[in-house]
Amino acid sequence: EVQLVESGGGLVQPGGSVRLSCAASGFTFSSYWMHWVRQAPGKGLVWVSRINGDGSDTKYADSVKGRFTISRDNAKNTLYLQMNSLRAEDTAVYYCARVVYGYLRADFWGQGTLVTVSS
Amino acid sequence: EIVLTQSPGTLSLFPGERATLSCRASQSVSSSYLVWYQQKLGQAPRLLIYGASSRATGIPDRFSGSGSGTDFTLTISRLEPEDFAVYYCQQYHSSPETFGGGTRVEIK
Repeated sequence: EVQLVESGGGLVQPGGSVRLSCAASGFTFSSYWMHWVRQAPGKGLVWVSRINGDGSDTKYADSVKGRFTISRDNAKNTLYLQMNSLRAEDTAVYYCARVVYGYLRADFWGQGTLVTVSS
Repeated sequence: EIVLTQSPGTLSLFPGERATLSCRASQSVSSSYLVWYQQKLGQAPRLLIYGASSRATGIPDRFSGSGSGTDFTLTISRLEPEDFAVYYCQQYHSSPETFGGGTRVEIK
């Protein structure tokens, strides 16, 4: 059974840092692109970042470029999102998602982890 | 950046009625890379349609997708109680892989 489990969220002060993790199981993790998507309270889905299977290719939304870093450890079947210089507008539930190549689509999602940026 | 505009923002319908949701792109999107998701309150998104018209595994056939270029449509032929939710389109044609703002389908 495919499972994605995010962790690492919580309350962070403005300007602070946090690292999110997404533990994957039930599939060959290194064969899939992985994405982070966020959702501010009461708002819509916003794409944040993606990484290819071996970690050599990454992309970011303009709103997080230079502050967030996506990475993966295929030996540990884990995806990461290092979030620095956090702002109030980064407050959101962060989802990791597995993306299938070919007809690209996110076919499995984690349950999300909430990051709250507030003093 | 490709902007996806979903309409209407909210659709109020009775169970059993037909729902038609629109997703319009600011520039042409390959049909292969247009996706629809359903999200219920407090839950992660669920993949419904990929490649503009292919149903994901386990999705009932009352859900269908169509369209090409800049205009895409999600149709729910007869609304079941569990279909009342928010629906998002997303494009993978180019990065950033943007989402539409969502359409809420609510019980009238």
